[in-house]
Amino acid sequence: QVQLQESGPGLVRPSETLSLTCSVSGDITNAHYWTWIRQSPGTGLEWIGYISYSGSTEYNPSLKSRVTISIDTSKNQFSLRLSSVTAADRAVYYCARQKGPLDVWGKGTTVTVSS
Amino acid sequence: EIIMTQSPATLSVSPGERATLSCRASQSVNSNLAWYQQKPGQSPRLLIYGASARASGIPARFSGSGSGTEFTLTISSVQPEDVALYHCQQYRNWPPYTFGQGTKLEIK
Repeated sequence: QVQLQESGPGLVRPSETLSLTCSVSGDITNAHYWTWIRQSPGTGLEWIGYISYSGSTEYNPSLKSRVTISIDTSKNQFSLRLSSVTAADRAVYYCARQKGPLDVWGKGTTVTVSS
Repeated sequence: EIIMTQSPATLSVSPGERATLSCRASQSVNSNLAWYQQKPGQSPRLLIYGASARASGIPARFSGSGSGTEFTLTISSVQPEDVALYHCQQYRNWPPYTFGQGTKLEIK
């Protein structure tokens, strides 16, 4: 039973870079994509992007200029970096396993943007 | 980008009654449609994929139907534990994968 757990700072200063890591219990396989999603109050779920086992990525065009997703299969982890954050990036960030639908989700971590 | 629109925004149903939630896509997604349940304070859980297939462990009272641009999630007999926010998501065209704004299910 694969489980995912997000970790990282809960507070990021405006204009700085948000960095989160997702730890996977169980193997990161090449049968799935490894995905980041966020949820802001009142705006629903937003797909940020995914990475494959081999490291290929796809990003939401609305965030593409600021997002980097990386993977470390030796540690069973993948990571999110979002640069130049503003108050609009305040959200609960989830990591998930994806093969079309998202079938396993982490519990989520809240990120606040404030000086 | 495919826009997903859910209705109603809030649905109030008595225990034991049927609940019908709708999701519309701005263009055809064939059957590449998933539904998620998000209980208060929890992460979303996959309910339905392929528009009508129940995910593992999902009770039979949850069913999905539709194809193309119009989809429905039906809860045949609502239970108190079904209070949640329900999301639809298309995975036909990406990036990006897109979600609806959600329907909040309340119990009368």
